[in-house]
Amino acid sequence: SQQGEEDPQALSIQEGENATMNCSYKTSINNLQWYRQNSGRGLVHLILIRSNEREKHSGRLRVTLDTSKKSSSLLITASRAADTASYFCATVLMIKAAGNKLTFGGGTRVLVKP
Amino acid sequence: DTGVSQDPRHKITKRGQNVTFRCDPISEHNRLYWYRQTLGQGPEFLTYFQNEAQLEKSRLLSDRFSAERPKGSFSTLEIQRTEQGDSAMYLCASSLAGGGVNEQYFGPGTRLTVT
Repeated sequence: SQQGEEDPQALSIQEGENATMNCSYKTSINNLQWYRQNSGRGLVHLILIRSNEREKHSGRLRVTLDTSKKSSSLLITASRAADTASYFCATVLMIKAAGNKLTFGGGTRVLVKP
Repeated sequence: DTGVSQDPRHKITKRGQNVTFRCDPISEHNRLYWYRQTLGQGPEFLTYFQNEAQLEKSRLLSDRFSAERPKGSFSTLEIQRTEQGDSAMYLCASSLAGGGVNEQYFGPGTRLTVT
């Protein structure tokens, strides 16, 4: 079973617009990561936010984390056609024995129209 | 290219046949993970190794599945007596353990189709 749920499941925007997607999870985490997956390919790591952090930036990406609400958001600013992909949040649990395995949400499919 | 390679990229097999996939992690990475992803879903954890030791297996990994990582380098995932429900993308990832938080680097995946 998957730890998180992502919202929306699909998003269609025009190039230049911002895209925001949300992730909710169920149990206490060590960190939360966002990955991108182009159609039928492997996952590319985008950004990691630790449980004691609230916001993080990387280029056009902004991630927030609210541990009290067990939720995170990913904002992509000034989107480009090349940002078309599925985006997944993944959590690493607090339990030491979890071995840093990732528990993924169902993903948000983003379409950026030129 | 993340530096993690998987072979083959695609595999079509008939139900009941055995298949084996290979993953070559980034050379200095001591942790190796296998995930399975079905269409439209996020990846699900199957198993992971630290060096050559298999430290955790998901209940998704039935007794038809076996994974090895001899000498702590490459890993193989074998599925015996394949079923149509095994059709999925099998993803391998590696990371460097120690020092707390670490990111995983994913390979391109092996897409299995069982007919």
